[in-house]
Amino acid sequence: DVKVTQSSRYLVKRTGEKVFLECVQDMDHENMFWYRQDPGLGLRLIYFSYDVKMKEKGDIPEGYSVSREKKERFSLILESASTNQTSMYLCASSSPGQGGYGYTFGSGTRLTVV
Amino acid sequence: SQQGEEDPQALSIQEGENATMNCSYKTSINNLQWYRQNSGRGLVHLILIRSNEREKHSGRLRVTLDTSKKSSSLLITASRAADTASYFCATASSYGKLTFGQGTILTVHP
Repeated sequence: DVKVTQSSRYLVKRTGEKVFLECVQDMDHENMFWYRQDPGLGLRLIYFSYDVKMKEKGDIPEGYSVSREKKERFSLILESASTNQTSMYLCASSSPGQGGYGYTFGSGTRLTVV
Repeated sequence: SQQGEEDPQALSIQEGENATMNCSYKTSINNLQWYRQNSGRGLVHLILIRSNEREKHSGRLRVTLDTSKKSSSLLITASRAADTASYFCATASSYGKLTFGQGTILTVHP
């Protein structure tokens, strides 16, 4: 069963900490994405990557960075966590071509920054 | 920026009834997709309709697309309690990148 795996379901971090959210896919997909989901705001794209070592800013990249050293792994980094980054974080992957095959999502990481 | 907007924001029906959700978008698209999200979980891809298609079926799901009105609808026939979830439309307007609406919360009462 193909899947996208996010390393943690729940995470509690302190303000100012550097936080790593890990995402691994086993479908050999080129494209990977990080979204955050907040009530009333829907899903907002933070960063995405079309290939190893490539990254593109999404709609809300401020306060985040990403790393894609291997094709199957896409990491989201919160350089200095703040309370307004408390959210549900969703990783997704897809094969290339206009999003034509749909995304496969991980189960999400609910991050609380205190 | 939000591309798709779903309507209604919430829908409550009885088991066996049909559920219809609508999505409007603003810019031209390559395809439009619908996803389901069960509470607190990741999204699951349901169906994709391309810009040159008008209607598509998958099991109890029927999706229509009207590019002239920049709108789509998702119909779930003979709803079940297990269909209770949030439903999102998403538009693909550039290479591999999706923009999601805010979703419709569907509650199906047994």
